[in-house]
Amino acid sequence: AQSVTQLGSHVSVSEGALVLLRCNYSSSVPPYLFWYVQYPNQGLQLLLKYTSAATLVKGINGFEAEFKKSETSFHLTKPSAHMRDAAEYFCAVSDREGYSTLTFGKGTMLLVSP
Amino acid sequence: DTGVSQNPRHKITKRGQNVTFRCDPISEHNRLYWYRQTLGQGPEFLTYFQNEAQLEKSRLLSDRFSAERPKGSFSTLEIQRTEQGDSAMYLCASSSNRGWIGGYTFGSGTRLTVV
Repeated sequence: AQSVTQLGSHVSVSEGALVLLRCNYSSSVPPYLFWYVQYPNQGLQLLLKYTSAATLVKGINGFEAEFKKSETSFHLTKPSAHMRDAAEYFCAVSDREGYSTLTFGKGTMLLVSP
Repeated sequence: DTGVSQNPRHKITKRGQNVTFRCDPISEHNRLYWYRQTLGQGPEFLTYFQNEAQLEKSRLLSDRFSAERPKGSFSTLEIQRTEQGDSAMYLCASSSNRGWIGGYTFGSGTRLTVV
């Protein structure tokens, strides 16, 4: 069984400020972890993924995330927010075994103010 | 390759009617997934195909729901006797056998509104 908890349904930052979106996971086997972004009325776009290589993963649009096994966390960060980053962000976990279906968190809406 | 394509983008139907959605995955992907996303929630897994075989179904997939993937290419998701609770975004995704390597590519979804 696997699950994802995203702390904070909404996060507000000013343009240029640090972005931190929190994700904690639970998995009975070593996980694969993903962050997706969703713009209004669109599908999900992959930002980055952790697949057991480097624990610090760099993705698109300047985002990165660090896998911390001891904390069962995979928080998403970006040093400087842009207005175009305003969207909903989903953390997801997949087993390394079985059918590798994704289990998503409930999402965090990132609001960026000028 | 144009990615994962879903049709229609929007569907409004009256309660009790049947609806069918179509998903065309990335051509070289042999795995195809259906998810449902309701307002304020993350996508929830519905069902999964490897080639033409439907290998897993969620408890969310009631008897009114049926999915097919003939010949392992496109897939259809049919909902019979729609209910207002079926209103949601239905997302399709595809991946290779090792989805964790290439990632899962999602379509833009079909938004269903049951009135």
